[in-house]
This record gives sequence, structure tokens and C-alpha cells, in this order.
Amino acid sequence: KQEVTQIPAALSVPEGENLVLNCSFTDSAIYNLQWFRQDPGKGLTSLLLIQSSQREQTSGRLNASLDKSSGRSTLYIAASQPGDSATYLCAVRRSSGTYKYIFGTGTRLKVLA
Amino acid sequence: NAGVTQTPKFQVLKTGQSMTLQCAQDMNHNSMYWYRQDPGMGLRLIYYSASEGTTDKGEVPNGYNVSRLNKREFSLRLESAAPSQTSVYFCASRDGEQYFGPGTRLTVT
Repeated sequence: KQEVTQIPAALSVPEGENLVLNCSFTDSAIYNLQWFRQDPGKGLTSLLLIQSSQREQTSGRLNASLDKSSGRSTLYIAASQPGDSATYLCAVRRSSGTYKYIFGTGTRLKVLA
Repeated sequence: NAGVTQTPKFQVLKTGQSMTLQCAQDMNHNSMYWYRQDPGMGLRLIYYSASEGTTDKGEVPNGYNVSRLNKREFSLRLESAAPSQTSVYFCASRDGEQYFGPGTRLTVT
């Protein structure tokens, strides 16, 4: 059974710091992995989608990498800003034969001004 | 472009009451999903619909039913609400990426 873990559960950093958020999964047979941010009381906003054949994806200050063999994805945020404060979640689609996604419980990020 | 919309935003039910949560998307996506989000448990899949006319159970389907009314709309029904169904409910649709609605906060007393 696929399990998705995000550690740490919470993180506080000063503004301007580069940071890495982690997402680990137990079954390497994944189809793709998606990163989201969630602001308090809001829905999820898609940040990046990485297909299983890709090693990384970039959007602005965000870079997501995928290493299937180690069961790990990282989300790199460059030059963090207070507006980046949110909960970041990853979700794994297990294989091409299923439409189901398994979510991690998220990392709550606070960027201090 | 509204994306994914959900109604209502908030709802309070008494144990045993029924209600339907509505979801609609205007992106012409085939796949739609219902999740619930509880503190410390992350998002868990209740039901999904790979395409119009099909629905399948997710991780936590007990106590819920769904209807894929047409390509745009996917509703979630609680026939007899229980306090354990107090949660935030999210609808999503997907092409490659998943797109989420704003959620419905449901309290069952």
C-alpha cells in the first residue's frame, strides 16, 4: 500500500532563505507526483506536476525534483517571502491504471519578515 | 473562468439528516474527485469519477453516495449524517493536474 510522508510537519524560516520541503513515498511505481499549496481556510492550488519520466520541474522560484528509486521528491523554494507562508502538500498517483491519488499530510511553512 | 465551484460553503447538520454537496467544473475535464480533509489525516479520497457515467470508491466511501450528473457536475450525498462526517470536503477535477474547489465546511452535531 502506497504511503506518502512529509517531514517536517511545520517549519519556520527567516525571509530570504532558500528552503527544501520533502515528500517520501513507499512504492516507487508511481505515474506522477503533484505539489500543492493550501492557504488557511482555502482549497488547494496546484504548483507543479512531475511525470514519472521527469527528474524535475520549475516554475518561477519553485523547483520540484523526483527520485523514484529512493521514493523521494523535494520542493525547493528560492528566496522565500512572507507570502510563501502556507501548507505545502504532495500527492502521488500510483500507476497509469488508476485515477487515485494519495496525499501526504503536508508541511506548514511560516516565512518570517 | 470559474474553475471548480462548490456549494454550499458551510453547513451544519443534525445527526441523521441528509444533504447533497454540489460540485461543478467548467474546464471540460473527464475526471472528478471528492475528498475529505481532517486535521492530522491529510486528504482522503471518498469517491471519484474517471469519466461521465462512471464512479468508483476511494479510501473512505462508507456513508456517502455520489452522482456524476453530466460531464460538468459531480455531487456527494450524505444519506444519514453522523458526527464522524464532520470535515472539510473538497471537490477536484483533473486533466493532467488536479484542480480543487474552495471546499465545504460541514459540521454534524
